[in-house]
Order: sequence, then C-alpha cells, then structure tokens
Amino acid sequence: DTAVSQTPKYLVTQMGNDKSIKCEQNLGHDTMYWYKQDSKKFLKIMFSYNNKELIINETVPNRFSPKSPDKAHLNLHINSLELGDSAVYFCASSQVILAGGGEQYFGPGTRLTVT
Amino acid sequence: TQLLEQSPQFLSIQEGENLTVYCNSSSVFSSLQWYRQEPGEGPVLLVTVVTGGEVKKLKRLTFQFGDARKDSSLHITAAQPGDTGLYLCAGARQGAQKLVFGQGTRLTINP
Repeated sequence: DTAVSQTPKYLVTQMGNDKSIKCEQNLGHDTMYWYKQDSKKFLKIMFSYNNKELIINETVPNRFSPKSPDKAHLNLHINSLELGDSAVYFCASSQVILAGGGEQYFGPGTRLTVT
Repeated sequence: TQLLEQSPQFLSIQEGENLTVYCNSSSVFSSLQWYRQEPGEGPVLLVTVVTGGEVKKLKRLTFQFGDARKDSSLHITAAQPGDTGLYLCAGARQGAQKLVFGQGTRLTINP
C-alpha cells in the first residue's frame, strides 16, 4: 500500500491554464504539506495543514490554493499557470506539526511543466 | 541566502571509498534530519538527530549533530553504487512548524 500518493505523476500544460494536483495519505497522520522542488533540487515548503486547518502559507502567490477536504487529503489548485511554476511538487505528511523532529513521509512527486 | 548550506553540492567517487557530506548553518536547530532522494521519487528519511554531539549509525552511514546544534555531517564508509542519490539535510528551528532544507548533495558512486 502506498503511504502518500499523488496524481498525476506528470502534468504538461500551457501558460494561463488552471490545474489541480491531488494528494492522499493512508498513514493516519494529522499534518500534510506541499513542497516545491526547483530545477536545482532545492526543496521549499509551500503550505501545511493540520486536521484540515491551514497552518503555514509560505508567501506563495495566491494563484496557488490548497484545499483539505479531510485530514487524509490535501489538494493543490493552481490558477493562471506561469512558466516559473514549472517544478516538481511534493506532498508530504507527518504525525505531528514538526515539534522537534517528526518524520515526514513524501509522495512520489508531480512534475509540472508549463509551456 | 540559504539557512542550511550543504557541501559539496556534487560528489562522484569510486566504489569502496569513504566520503563525508556537510550541512552547516549559523542558526541553532532543535533537530536535524537527513533524507535521501532517488530520481523520480520523493525524499526518504534516513535519520533524525536531536541532541548536540549525537552520533547515529545506520549500517555504513554515520550521522553526527554538532555540539552547538548548528551543523551536521554524514559519513559513508566503503561507498557502494546503491548509495547513489541526492542527500538532503533538513532542520527544524525551536518552536517552528516547518522544515528548512539544504540545497542537497548529489552523490554518484561509480562501480
């Protein structure tokens, strides 16, 4: 069983389009995250949710809107896609809100290419 | 400016050699983690260190947290091709609810 799953794995789209990435975890964790990994492999947090409540919004453009229908799901919707949005997006989950070293479990990533 | 600086960024060595990867900061962290990421996959946690001076071993991998909790190192003994991957350090600052990641060390072990 996959612990953290994301769909789609690959997403190629044109500038200006709107797209969504879905994430599900079956670990029973309370906290979920979205990260962006750029072409230089730098991994940066975008959002975190705890029990469906937004905890961290890391000054991400408001074209990005996360939605957590329940604590096992955290989806990412992106409006008006731009070239600079091209990256690999990772969903992750953890049991706690990272107080002193909680283990984060990452999904396989979604490679978004905006043309 | 990166909060966590990893060095080297790229390392290519022969099978059987030893190597050390460093993760440095001017900030104090309550905990530090090391992840390994393989192509097309998400990072996988290798270890978490929480106490200054702590040393943890995972088979041929040895992880150390600096006494002042500002830096960490990963030492691999007798590297094998299966050790190839991107190694990421990540730290949690006191009271913070997020991890900050280093830029990674891309390690290649040649047979």
